[in-house]
Amino acid sequence: QSVLTQPPSASGTPGQRVTISCSGSSSNIGSNYVYWYQQLPGTAPKLLIYSNNQRPSGVPDRFSGSKSGTSASLAISGLRSEDEADYYCATWDDSLSGPVFGGGTKLTVL
Amino acid sequence: EVQLVESGGGLVQPGGSLRLSCAACGFTFSNYWMHWVRQAPGKGLVWVSRINSDGSNTGYADSVKGRFTISRDNAKNTLYLQMNSLRAEDTAVYYCARLLVGARIDYWGQGTLVTVSS
Repeated sequence: QSVLTQPPSASGTPGQRVTISCSGSSSNIGSNYVYWYQQLPGTAPKLLIYSNNQRPSGVPDRFSGSKSGTSASLAISGLRSEDEADYYCATWDDSLSGPVFGGGTKLTVL
Repeated sequence: EVQLVESGGGLVQPGGSLRLSCAACGFTFSNYWMHWVRQAPGKGLVWVSRINSDGSNTGYADSVKGRFTISRDNAKNTLYLQMNSLRAEDTAVYYCARLLVGARIDYWGQGTLVTVSS
């Protein structure tokens, strides 16, 4: 069981906007930045969002992140077939003194 | 170009040991904290261990504490994970990761598969 809670699946049609939620606690999301990773099958995760809502260079602005209290969300607008992947939220946990991850959300583009 | 290349994975019997290595290049290895993150087949990412830049401070997930030991050799630009008393639930792809701050991992290795089975 993961420290951060994500829905196991999400879906949308091309062009749609989808959101993925991530819920934590005061010792992790509530007091630290949230990060989002995209993992394509058979590959290592790739950083998608850092510091709640910042995009590394090369990440399209279709991807956006937000945080409120002990929850965060990732939004993907203008959904494309290549967005089909697993998405993980992550943050630092003060109690663990290490990073914690969500269980992952499998995004299907219908 | 930053590269992290893991090796040492394989099939091991329950109770056995394995040492993973992660060779780093393309950056000043001795300046960075390094981590191991694992992913069981079909499951999510789980943090395993961390080590500070000079190796003097380490941390472990409860699930591996007392069984796994993280270390590094800055002269060889290499990170290690010694895994003892392995269990079936340790079966996973193990990733070496460079973490900048918080949970910001900017570089991951390709992963090495550890299978614990009789």
